[in-house]
Amino acid sequence: GAGVSQSPSNKVTEKGKDVELRCDPISGHTALYWYRQSLGQGLEFLIYFQGNSAPDKSGLPSDRFSAERTGGSVSTLTIQRTQQEDSAVYLCASSFRTSGGAVEQFFGPGTRLTVL
Amino acid sequence: KNQVEQSPQSLIILEGKNCTLQCNYTVSPFSNLRWYKQDTGRGPVSLTIMTFSENTKSNGRYTATLDADTKQSSLHITASQLSDSASYICVVRAGGSYIPTFGRGTSLIVHP
Repeated sequence: GAGVSQSPSNKVTEKGKDVELRCDPISGHTALYWYRQSLGQGLEFLIYFQGNSAPDKSGLPSDRFSAERTGGSVSTLTIQRTQQEDSAVYLCASSFRTSGGAVEQFFGPGTRLTVL
Repeated sequence: KNQVEQSPQSLIILEGKNCTLQCNYTVSPFSNLRWYKQDTGRGPVSLTIMTFSENTKSNGRYTATLDADTKQSSLHITASQLSDSASYICVVRAGGSYIPTFGRGTSLIVHP
């Protein structure tokens, strides 16, 4: 496929469980972002990967959140000991290398996480 | 603090009518502004991008304007269609930053 893909599309879990969300970026895109979209809120930046550079983790809300990107391609966002407030849509986006310019981010369809 | 405010929060119009969505920002220094369309259950898709020197840009029935002096942008939709029902998100990027600032979006519903 030519676009960004994410899996699963929906995830329902119980409070306290760990979850892993996957993102497959567009081939050749070196930049990858994770965002969280809560109901009625704007997209909240979580983490940014650029090539082999150290990721910018400044948006991660707590140490229960972590992400990795293997081989500069697929990325996994892990949430440990999930809480009800973690319920949201998690969006992944990729782009060519960006340094603040007019580079477009291409978004995946998102993973809707529901924590019971 | 960089902020993007959008209005109205929601809008209902009849098919065929025009509408205008507003975006005010305090992002500095300004680099560019994008309007995204997000259909329910999908990721946002870029409609237009505006840079500092651009005042107006069209993409089919969508026309975006930018006033860099007042830090305002608008998205005008002409002859609305049912498929225009979506959330429209204004996104502003500061110069030298790779993290854009997102507005909360305007939810547009087009009724037949």
